Amino acid sequence: AQKITQTQPGMFVQEKEAVTLDCTYDTSDPSYGLFWYKQPSSGEMIFLIYQGSYDQQNATEGRYSLNFQKARKSANLVISASQLGDSAMYFCAMREGRDTDKLIFGTGTRLQVFP
Amino acid sequence: GAVVSQHPSRVICKSGTSVKIECRSLDFQATTMFWYRQFPKQSLMLMATSNEGSKATYEQGVEKDKFLINHASLTLSTLTVTSAHPEDSSFYICSASYRGVSQPQHFGDGTRLSIL
Repeated sequence: AQKITQTQPGMFVQEKEAVTLDCTYDTSDPSYGLFWYKQPSSGEMIFLIYQGSYDQQNATEGRYSLNFQKARKSANLVISASQLGDSAMYFCAMREGRDTDKLIFGTGTRLQVFP
Repeated sequence: GAVVSQHPSRVICKSGTSVKIECRSLDFQATTMFWYRQFPKQSLMLMATSNEGSKATYEQGVEKDKFLINHASLTLSTLTVTSAHPEDSSFYICSASYRGVSQPQHFGDGTRLSIL
């Protein structure tokens, strides 16, 4: 079974609108961390936001927020007030357990922001 | 935020050449460094995990004699693609992290390797 599932290969959003990128995960470990990264066409991976399994509140970082629904095992990224520069690939990733530094990545969602 | 430097950013070379890629954490001491390979329009594929002073741990299916990893210090890891062939052409990207379940991996800018 896939550990991280991103079901949206591509998404379109108009500038200034909000968009939600879906991510579901699968783990039996009670301790895990969820990360979102942005990869522009230039290739670098930019860390956006983190959510810990024990965090009571949804993480927020500027225009990025994470809609964390633990019972449903989902960690959707919400980008508010989209900008043209937000066009990129977005990857959801999970660190599973306390004893590993490895990240398991999803297949990614390509977001395109249009004027 | 934490800065990871990776170079070269682009390499074009002939088949049979060995290519070395460096990954440095500039402003923190990384307990672990990772090497990934990414094919076009695909996700990152973990190749190996590297800890300072110890042998790298390779993922299943990754040839350790083809992809040599050296982690000489807490701030430097190198990946050498030995006797590279066209099928080794890809985007290689490193990351570094320090221990802690909430710590993200910080990535270099990647290296585009093209073997002619």
